[in-house]
Amino acid sequence: SQTIHQWPATLVQPVGSPLSLECTVEGTSNPNLYWYRQAAGRGLQLLFYSVGIGQISSEVPQNLSASRPQDRQFILSSKKLLLSDSGFYLCAWMVGLAGNEQFFGPGTRLTVL
Amino acid sequence: GDSVTQMEGPVTLSEEAFLTINCTYTATGYPSLFWYVQYPGEGLQLLLKATKADDKGSNKGFEATYRKETTSFHLEKGSVQVSDSAVYFCALRLWSGTASKLTFGTGTRLQVTL
Repeated sequence: SQTIHQWPATLVQPVGSPLSLECTVEGTSNPNLYWYRQAAGRGLQLLFYSVGIGQISSEVPQNLSASRPQDRQFILSSKKLLLSDSGFYLCAWMVGLAGNEQFFGPGTRLTVL
Repeated sequence: GDSVTQMEGPVTLSEEAFLTINCTYTATGYPSLFWYVQYPGEGLQLLLKATKADDKGSNKGFEATYRKETTSFHLEKGSVQVSDSAVYFCALRLWSGTASKLTFGTGTRLQVTL
């Protein structure tokens, strides 16, 4: 069966510090991978998606970047965190056609102080 | 652009009450529609889906019908339980190139009390 892991589960970082959040998927090959952010009082915003190794599409301009060094690994990074980067970050994966669901990881709660 | 509008919460109901959470969408093309649920401290889980007009998705007593004429996908449940307390997200999906992207509503928090 397929599983998706995210770590860390929670993170508190000072403004200006770097960030690296990791997402890995097991039990599937060639998934589409997604990073979402859920800010307080707002819905989910798609940040990045990837259809293959080294292929990253950015949905919104921001202080973050993403990389996909391996087929089932998706990393969200920042060189210098801003207060506005605080939120709940969710990784998701999907294979197949439009009717198939996206499966979400447990999320990482990031607080920037 | 594509968008999803949900009724604002929180919605507070007594156990066994009838639930409706409204969702309408704007999209070019023919989207698939979804309801996701997020329990406290957890990620999102798919609750139900519908991939074409007039389809009815159902799961765990929840239902939603894809209404193309009113561009709606309202979530309903006949008798809610305390364990249904969660945040519910309506979403649509269209293909963009080789990727499928979800567009979410802002979420509706449901609180069910005894």
